[in-house]
Amino acid sequence: NAGVTQTPKFQVLKTGQSMTLQCAQDMNHNSMYWYRQDPGMGLRLIYYSASEGTTDKGEVPNGYNVSRLNKREFSLRLESAAPSQTSVYFCASTGQVNQPQHFGDGTRLSIL
Amino acid sequence: RKEVEQDPGPFNVPEGATVAFNCTYSNSASQSFFWYRQDCRKEPKLLMSVYSSGNEDGRFTAQLNRASQYISLLIRDSKLSDSATYLCVVNSGGYQKVTFGIGTKLQVIP
Repeated sequence: NAGVTQTPKFQVLKTGQSMTLQCAQDMNHNSMYWYRQDPGMGLRLIYYSASEGTTDKGEVPNGYNVSRLNKREFSLRLESAAPSQTSVYFCASTGQVNQPQHFGDGTRLSIL
Repeated sequence: RKEVEQDPGPFNVPEGATVAFNCTYSNSASQSFFWYRQDCRKEPKLLMSVYSSGNEDGRFTAQLNRASQYISLLIRDSKLSDSATYLCVVNSGGYQKVTFGIGTKLQVIP
């Protein structure tokens, strides 16, 4: 099983460009999450989707949008990239809220 | 007080040593607890869940102390391959109430 798959693995953007980070899971999980991780800080929740058809803001949603395309896929979009969005982005999924989350291997995004 | 606090370390220990990390949490209503391992520039991977009765998996033991609001991770007979950052995770009962600590860095020295 692939688990949680993220694409791309690396990306460099110029300020103002847009892009979409893709995430897919094959574990039949209901809930999916997008986090960013910056040096010296814990993982911070950007958006989450408790179940197919629903999305909600997390701790740091500004500058991002998400789409829960179906039960498997949850994408994160940067409409107008800013240098402050340079980070490592992780997608995660879980079956139920009190269960541990399973992570993809991350997207390393640099914005110049 | 931060929701979840960890000593960032680094903890430098010789091979074969026993090392323990603590993680304190502020919300007394927290319901589930986990330890994850994160290698440099990689994704967090679940190491173990933490149960009220404590649990053990090989050289790793996790404990929960609800009265003092902390969880602990004990690693016995440290291996070089244990070098990583250990994240504690506390769930206070909602999808956006999962809080990750900043992690404790462990370096096992030959």
